[in-house]
Amino acid sequence: EAGVAQSPRYKIIEKRQSVAFWCNPISGHATLYWYQQILGQGPKLLIQFQNNGVVDDSQLPKDRFSAERLKGVDSTLKIQPAKLEDSAVYLCASSANSGTPGHYGYTFGSGTRLTVV
Amino acid sequence: GNSVTQMEGPVTLSEEAFLTINCTYTATGYPSLFWYVQYPGEGLQLLLKATKADDKGSNKGFEATYRKETTSFHLEKGSVQVSDSAVYFCALSNYGQNFVFGPGTRLSVLP
Repeated sequence: EAGVAQSPRYKIIEKRQSVAFWCNPISGHATLYWYQQILGQGPKLLIQFQNNGVVDDSQLPKDRFSAERLKGVDSTLKIQPAKLEDSAVYLCASSANSGTPGHYGYTFGSGTRLTVV
Repeated sequence: GNSVTQMEGPVTLSEEAFLTINCTYTATGYPSLFWYVQYPGEGLQLLLKATKADDKGSNKGFEATYRKETTSFHLEKGSVQVSDSAVYFCALSNYGQNFVFGPGTRLSVLP
């Protein structure tokens, strides 16, 4: 079974530029998550999708971050404009449903490491 | 709210040493508890989990017991290997809610 695919692996941009990350979840997984992992911290949920609808975006900085999952499969996370404090690893995860995560094959991708200079 | 506290790292051990990484939590209700591992350059992988009090999760020689009375879920391994070098995250999830992760503990095992 293929895992959660993310691209790019690394990205370096200057502050105030824009950047986009892509995620393709495991086939058939209805729920998709984006996390931000700042160096030295645990991952923090940014947004959760169930199919193509948003379930939870309470911790997404909506003034600069946006995400979409138009066809209920792959997803894009965008930052515009980027700030220095956005430097982090952005992890995508997917699960078969949105129940208790650990019970339903919750799987993380390898992440995109963003450096804002 | 829900939160997870882990012992600060980095933890440096010699090969075959005994490992303990402490984890305590604060949560309402009866959360499920997890340990995730992150190897360099990779995503998080589920190491083990426990869904109710007194459950013991185990995998690859690691184990952790869900202790409700002490709100703890300490990770242990009797004999670590160089290949165990990674960052370990304790996490909890209440039913229907997403993960809350601890800050992670970096383990380095020296040959």
